[in-house]
Amino acid sequence: QQQVKQSPQSLIVQKGGISIINCAYENTAFDYFPWYQQFPGKGPALLIAIRPDVSEKKEGRFTISFNKSAKQFSLHIMDSQPGDSATYFCAASFGTNAGKSTFGDGTTLTVKP
Amino acid sequence: NAGVTQTPKFRVLKTGQSMTLLCAQDMNHEYMYWYRQDPGMGLRLIHYSVGEGTTAKGEVPDGYNVSRLKKQNFLLGLESAAPSQTSVYFCASSYSVGYGYTFGSGTRLTVV
Repeated sequence: QQQVKQSPQSLIVQKGGISIINCAYENTAFDYFPWYQQFPGKGPALLIAIRPDVSEKKEGRFTISFNKSAKQFSLHIMDSQPGDSATYFCAASFGTNAGKSTFGDGTTLTVKP
Repeated sequence: NAGVTQTPKFRVLKTGQSMTLLCAQDMNHEYMYWYRQDPGMGLRLIHYSVGEGTTAKGEVPDGYNVSRLKKQNFLLGLESAAPSQTSVYFCASSYSVGYGYTFGSGTRLTVV
């Protein structure tokens, strides 16, 4: 049973454009929603995270939008740059579950110059 | 540099051989996790630990064993490797629940 569904699987955006990646979750007990960025041959790195008591969090060009009623959250990358080309994973976890994260399947982002 | 260190980075095993993957963290994190990453399947949890001396099964534990004798180390063992265990293995650690993970750089394992 996939508890976190991520879309699209791949995304191509022009430099300067907005990249949007979506995730939907099923378990309403989830209370922590991070996004990770992974470059080829490297481990995932925490990019930005949100908790369900806020609807939006922004860090530089990266923004998470969170819709608790719809059980969806999304990552927006403003002014996308070729250096943002990577695989992005959403995840969800909750405190009483030993902090175990359930990951989406990943989105490969390509930003064309 | 502080972080999570995984050894080895690459390994080729023959079916039936055994090996141990080592994960070491120097951030004094309580929680440690082993995930495997396969194309198009995201990251799947193999085993995890909530503190020194504790281990628990994750989503895909069959064929693997773990140990956490010291807080900073989390070992993943394959007793009898199978081709289905060909994957990239990532170790991660976390300060506590509700915090993000710090991942290692991964071990690429091929079982032939």
